[in-house]
Amino acid sequence: EVQLVESGGGLVQPGGSLRLSCAASGFTFSNFAIHWVRQAPGKGLEYISSISNTGGTSYYANSVKGRFTISRDNSKNTLYLQMGSLRSEDMAVYYCATGGGADGFGIWGQGTMVTVSS
Amino acid sequence: DIQMTQSPSSLSASVGDRVTITCRASQGTDNYLAWYQQKPGEVPKLLIYAASTLQSGVPSRFSGSGSGTDFTLTISNLQPEDVATYYCQKYNSAPFTFGGGTKVEIK
Repeated sequence: EVQLVESGGGLVQPGGSLRLSCAASGFTFSNFAIHWVRQAPGKGLEYISSISNTGGTSYYANSVKGRFTISRDNSKNTLYLQMGSLRSEDMAVYYCATGGGADGFGIWGQGTMVTVSS
Repeated sequence: DIQMTQSPSSLSASVGDRVTITCRASQGTDNYLAWYQQKPGEVPKLLIYAASTLQSGVPSRFSGSGSGTDFTLTISNLQPEDVATYYCQKYNSAPFTFGGGTKVEIK
């Protein structure tokens, strides 16, 4: 079964750091780019970051550039998002998603909640 | 960066109605345009890609059209299970921006 499973969310104080993980299974992870998308409570979907299949190329939305770092370990079939200098506006459910070689984001994880509060 | 604007932001329609949602890109997307459905409390689900290609398993009452900068998602025979928020997304190149969403309710 094709699956993405996020972990690492939780409560963090403003200014703090957190690392999210996304474990992939059921497909050849190293063949495909993969992305992070977030959704603040009651709000819409916000694309935040992508990484190429090899990890050699990455992209960040302006809202997280300089504070978040995306990375992947193809030997572990895992995607990461290192988040720093967290703000209240970063509070959201964070999803990893990929097309798995097809168009659009056809495969999504179940999401992990990040709460930023003192 | 290309901006994606959806309209309306919400709508209410009766079961059996034909519903149309519009997505406008600030620049052309080369038809790399996807539509997603997100039901309350659920993960987004890909409905349509390449502007008009139905994802496997999606009911045929959903259809997509358009090209260039203007795209449309149509639900031809609205069903109670279609209550959800719908998002468009451009995916020709990063950033893979989403539209603001359209919330569909049953009247």
